[in-house]
Amino acid sequence: AQTVTQSQPEMSVQEAETVTLSCTYDTSESDYYLFWYKQPPSRQMILVIRQEAYKQQNATENRFSVNFQKAAKSFSLKISDSQLGDAAMYFCAYRSATVAGNQFYFGTGTSLTVIP
Amino acid sequence: NAGVTQTPKFRVLKTGQSMTLLCAQDMNHEYMYWYRQDPGMGLRLIHYSVGEGTTAKGEVPDGYNVSRLKKQNFLLGLESAAPSQTSVYFCASSSTPTGTSYGYTFGSGTRLTVV
Repeated sequence: AQTVTQSQPEMSVQEAETVTLSCTYDTSESDYYLFWYKQPPSRQMILVIRQEAYKQQNATENRFSVNFQKAAKSFSLKISDSQLGDAAMYFCAYRSATVAGNQFYFGTGTSLTVIP
Repeated sequence: NAGVTQTPKFRVLKTGQSMTLLCAQDMNHEYMYWYRQDPGMGLRLIHYSVGEGTTAKGEVPDGYNVSRLKKQNFLLGLESAAPSQTSVYFCASSSTPTGTSYGYTFGSGTRLTVV
């Protein structure tokens, strides 16, 4: 099974500053997808950004961008101009494009605090 | 609104009791999943289904059973609840991962406490 590692259990950032959350994964597959999900205190899982492994260009969604390093199996999330509403638990996830079931494998999460 | 609906949202069980969690989706998704979320452990897959009438074990299936008699519903059962099953349970669904339709849609979760 694939493993996803988030080595930062907690992070904090000043409002309006930039923060980067780290994620590494282990796989022998060449075709897969990577995701970042946000979980605020409401518990709802919200998709932040996604990346197809075959694309070399890093995905961007407004203030959120990723640094995808396929050879290094690294997928970090950068949040620019941090806002109070960004405070949440963030999960990195991997999904195979070929294995039957195509289930997600999640990291253990990073709790982000935004300091006013 | 289209999406994934989980019922109930909260439940307290006594050790040894049984219960069923219901997940319903109205997006005609083929794939459905049950995860549990525990502090420091992320989300772990319990069981999943790739279509009506099919089920398969995930990473942590022991103590749980599932059924998918209808495409839109995926039931998770606990036959004899144990305190170790205290957790937040999430249901998710997705279409097959083609094109841009390869993300999960999550339910809002069920907080289960076994005392």
